Amino acid sequence: GNSVTQMEGPVTLSEEAFLTINCTYTATGYPSLFWYVQYPGEGLQLLLKATKADDKGSNKGFEATYRKETTSFHLEKGSVQVSDSAVYFCALSVDRGSTLGRLYFGRGTQLTVWP
Amino acid sequence: GAVVSQHPSRVICKSGTSVKIECRSLDFQATTMFWYRQFPKKSLMLMATSNEGSKATYEQGVEKDKFLINHASLTLSTLTVTSAHPEDSSFYICSARDRINEQYFGPGTRLTVT
Repeated sequence: GNSVTQMEGPVTLSEEAFLTINCTYTATGYPSLFWYVQYPGEGLQLLLKATKADDKGSNKGFEATYRKETTSFHLEKGSVQVSDSAVYFCALSVDRGSTLGRLYFGRGTQLTVWP
Repeated sequence: GAVVSQHPSRVICKSGTSVKIECRSLDFQATTMFWYRQFPKKSLMLMATSNEGSKATYEQGVEKDKFLINHASLTLSTLTVTSAHPEDSSFYICSARDRINEQYFGPGTRLTVT
């Protein structure tokens, strides 16, 4: 089946620290991988994505590389800011058959950045 | 980018009443919309997939008679929580998929049943 496992957190960092949030997946077929961010009281926003192996998604200083050999899509940022405090969700979709477009989410990782 | 709206953003209702939540794609046509429920400190749980002009497909364990979904047009889907109870209190989020399979999320609706 399709599933996503990500580190649960919470993760607490000081401003300018390095961030890694691990995400691994299992999937039938060839998934697309996503990171979504949810700020307090809001819905989800797409942060970045990668659609095939070895692709690197990047946005707002965040990066994640699609690693097929380790079935991973770890999120990284070299220097976090207080404004990055949010919940981060790793997700996948498998664009085939009846599951077309459906997203499978990890449990989310709460990130808190202190000044 | 594409925008999806939800209305209302917050609603408080009494136990036993019904509540309707609207999800609209504002600047694109969405043949498919998804409804999710998010519990505190938990991930999003897909409730149902809504296709324009046809019946919604519900996930296992989701009561279709309790969570009525109508996708009447290419820009509007509604979720009605019927005979709401306190355990239905949650954050409900919709998403809409455009013609190139990009998916956009609404801001969510906080439902509190007293």
